Amino acid sequence: GQQVQQSPPASLVLQEGENAELQCTYSTTLNSMQWFYQRPGGRLVSLLYSPSWAEQRGGRLTSSAASNESRSSLHISSSQITDSGTYLCAIGTSGGNYKPTFGKGTSLVVHP
Amino acid sequence: EAAVTQSPRSKVAVTGGKVTLSCHQTNNHDYMYWYRQDTGHGLRLIHYSYVADSTEKGDIPDGYKASRPSQENFSLILELASLSQTAVYFCASSDARTGGVSYEQYFGPGTRLTVL
Repeated sequence: GQQVQQSPPASLVLQEGENAELQCTYSTTLNSMQWFYQRPGGRLVSLLYSPSWAEQRGGRLTSSAASNESRSSLHISSSQITDSGTYLCAIGTSGGNYKPTFGKGTSLVVHP
Repeated sequence: EAAVTQSPRSKVAVTGGKVTLSCHQTNNHDYMYWYRQDTGHGLRLIHYSYVADSTEKGDIPDGYKASRPSQENFSLILELASLSQTAVYFCASSDARTGGVSYEQYFGPGTRLTVL
């Protein structure tokens, strides 16, 4: 089946103000990509969605995809303490019914 | 803003008992999904549906049934709950009615199920 790997695989620790880059690699042809944020015990909150390889921006967040590398990235600029939490990517593939595959998530910890 | 609600928000069930988790969306979306989230496994798809009165198996359907009586409602049924089904369950919806329209998913708040 489809495999989605996220990196860093476990957690990323930053100082407030630093930039973060989270990555998602997959073993199939991308049709859509969505990044989510989740606090412990909380719901998944959609951050950015892209129906293709197109770069998406929202505030301090930018998502992009490299078609030739089967990799997508989420950039967080000027990280804040409130950015701490888990970030998950979901990859949708073309053809058939829409069944996105999720990565296991990367935990981001931002220290003051 | 898309709205997906789930009930109950938490439940304790006994092994072998029947559990029904409910999901309701007011987005007029065709697709609805049930996922479970476990530490170390991430989010895994159990069942999904793209039209009322029809459901499809996801990646881990064993031990679960689903029901989609209307566009707005989607239920997950555990006929014989087991310890291994202790997890947080999330419902989601997305709009895929028209070719090229967003498949963006909107999630409910989750249901924490504990089977004892």
